[in-house]
Amino acid sequence: NAGVTQTPKFQVLKTGQSMTLQCAQDMNHEYMSWYRQDPGMGLRLIHYSVGAGITDQGEVPNGYNVSRSTTEDFPLRLLSAAPSQTSVYFCASSYSEGEITIYFGEGSWLTVV
Amino acid sequence: GENVEQHPSTLSVQEGDSAVIKCTYSDSASNYFPWYKQELGKRPQLIIDIRSNVGEKKDQRIAVTLNKTAKHFSLHITETQPEDSAVYFCAASFYGDSNYQLIWGAGTKLIIKP
Repeated sequence: NAGVTQTPKFQVLKTGQSMTLQCAQDMNHEYMSWYRQDPGMGLRLIHYSVGAGITDQGEVPNGYNVSRSTTEDFPLRLLSAAPSQTSVYFCASSYSEGEITIYFGEGSWLTVV
Repeated sequence: GENVEQHPSTLSVQEGDSAVIKCTYSDSASNYFPWYKQELGKRPQLIIDIRSNVGEKKDQRIAVTLNKTAKHFSLHITETQPEDSAVYFCAASFYGDSNYQLIWGAGTKLIIKP
């Protein structure tokens, strides 16, 4: 199993541009989520999905969209990039929603200039 | 809203000594408390977790203790080694109106001095 795969690993965007961070998992996990990690802020939940066709907002959803058309894929779209969205983004998955191990992708380093 | 406070933000210990990281949570209904380790430039990975029906859990050199009355839990690492250098995150479960979430601490950077 490849686990959780994210692309791209590094990206520089100009303010106002849009882009999509891709995330795929091959573990047949129902629960997928996106976090952003800023220095000194820990991990903050952006959006999550409990299964194909179902998404919901996390703690910091503004400026981001998600979709879940298949169990495997959970892309994160930045609508109009802002410098405040400069961060490291982690996609994560787990077998279900609840008190079990979360598996993270390798992270995507995004800089908005 | 609910939150998790983690202390200290940076901890420097001599190799071979013990390290303790503490977290305090606000939601008395929280019942799951994982700890994740994140090495520099890498992804967070689960190292140990504890549920509210247990007061302590050990796995080789690491242990977690939970005090539900005081709403705090701690990570203990004994006989620290260079490979223990990393950022450690605690988290606590939170059940909102319609969903389950993990609320994360801000992280502790653990430095092991040779």
